[in-house]
Amino acid sequence: DGGITQSPKYLFRKEGQNVTLSCEQNLNHDAMYWYRQDPGQGLRLIYYSQIVNDFQKGDIAEGYSVSREKKESFPLTVTSAQKNPTAFYLCASSVMGQGASGYTFGSGTRLTVV
Amino acid sequence: DAKTTQPPSMDCAEGRAANLPCNHSTISGNEYVYWYRQIHSQGPQYIIHGLKNNETNEMASLIITEDRKSSTLILPHATLRDTAVYYCIVSRVGSNYKLTFGKGTLLTVNP
Repeated sequence: DGGITQSPKYLFRKEGQNVTLSCEQNLNHDAMYWYRQDPGQGLRLIYYSQIVNDFQKGDIAEGYSVSREKKESFPLTVTSAQKNPTAFYLCASSVMGQGASGYTFGSGTRLTVV
Repeated sequence: DAKTTQPPSMDCAEGRAANLPCNHSTISGNEYVYWYRQIHSQGPQYIIHGLKNNETNEMASLIITEDRKSSTLILPHATLRDTAVYYCIVSRVGSNYKLTFGKGTLLTVNP
């Protein structure tokens, strides 16, 4: 079945360490996104990419980095510069031109920094 | 994209209809209303969308007022599995526009 896979589901890291969250999709979607969610809050966009080898900053990109070397993959690195990295991270993908009805989300990675 | 306003929480009895309101008074003519829901600790799931006519699918119905300044998502026979946060989003059609998710409405379906 086609879908979007995030791994791992839970991740623990020590403060000051960089950590990379994986996101893979086999839906042949052109666009991919990373969102952050804090308890009781909505989703905030970190980065998005509409085509391979290109990506744009979202609303809260500071302290994060991404790459888009393959259409299927859009890994997110949480760097030590991110002040409050503990959060629930969601990856999504969509078909170009389909608009907001075509988003598929992964099941998320819960990152805890101690 | 136009801003939306939703109540933070609502309760509904199992088997009854759940009516979730959304205000979007600054919506533009080329913007659709979309609804997503997020079950705890999962990714959001698309439910339904519409422009100005009422829409219905296997999951829900969407009622949009004639002036398009507000809408209501209706779950006709709510079940315990419908307990989730429901997001109302306004976005332009046809573009791969980054979606903005507010805090949504936490719907709790009670037995």
